[in-house]
Amino acid sequence: AQSVTQLGSHVSVSEGALVLLRCNYSSSVPPYLFWYVQYPNQGLQLLLKYTSAATLVKGINGFEAEFKKSETSFHLTKPSAHMSDAAEYFCAVSARMEYGNKLVFGAGTILRVKS
Amino acid sequence: DVKVTQSSRYLVKRTGEKVFLECVQDMDHENMFWYRQDPGLGLRLIYFSYDVKMKEKGDIPEGYSVSREKKERFSLILESASTNQTSMYLCASGVFQGAAPQETQYFGPGTRLLVL
Repeated sequence: AQSVTQLGSHVSVSEGALVLLRCNYSSSVPPYLFWYVQYPNQGLQLLLKYTSAATLVKGINGFEAEFKKSETSFHLTKPSAHMSDAAEYFCAVSARMEYGNKLVFGAGTILRVKS
Repeated sequence: DVKVTQSSRYLVKRTGEKVFLECVQDMDHENMFWYRQDPGLGLRLIYFSYDVKMKEKGDIPEGYSVSREKKERFSLILESASTNQTSMYLCASGVFQGAAPQETQYFGPGTRLLVL
């Protein structure tokens, strides 16, 4: 069964510093992987997704993620953190159901950005 | 832009009450989903609907039922609310792309339910 593990429930960085949020996946088939962001009191918004077209995926707001099959990882990075990046981030993998596909989410990582 | 709306942002109910959570999407999407979000657990799928009147159980369907009478509307029903159903509930919709696993899901703002 497909699953994802996010390392670190809380990450704190200074404004302008590198953001690195870790995600490892487990999948018996080639995975389709997603990163979503949730700002306070809002729903989830897609940041980026990996669909096997390219291993380095660029998303919105300057985020990117690299798919590494050998490490079963899909870590999210941003070169320079901004205060507005403070949010909760979820990694997810697509999993087949009988009539469609669901997302299996990690536990989430709360990103704090210090001024 | 895809818009997914949920009928309430906050709800307070009593144990044993029947609770209806409503979700509406405006993009003619085939697929709709109900997730439950709890701290430290991420989001877990309750039910999935792939067409009007068609549904499939997710990972945690116990204590919940769903209804989809119109394509744009998907309701989650708690037949007899219990305190362990206190949670954030998120609705999502997605285009049916031949059962494509790369389908993007679009989320509503969530309903925070407190059961006393």
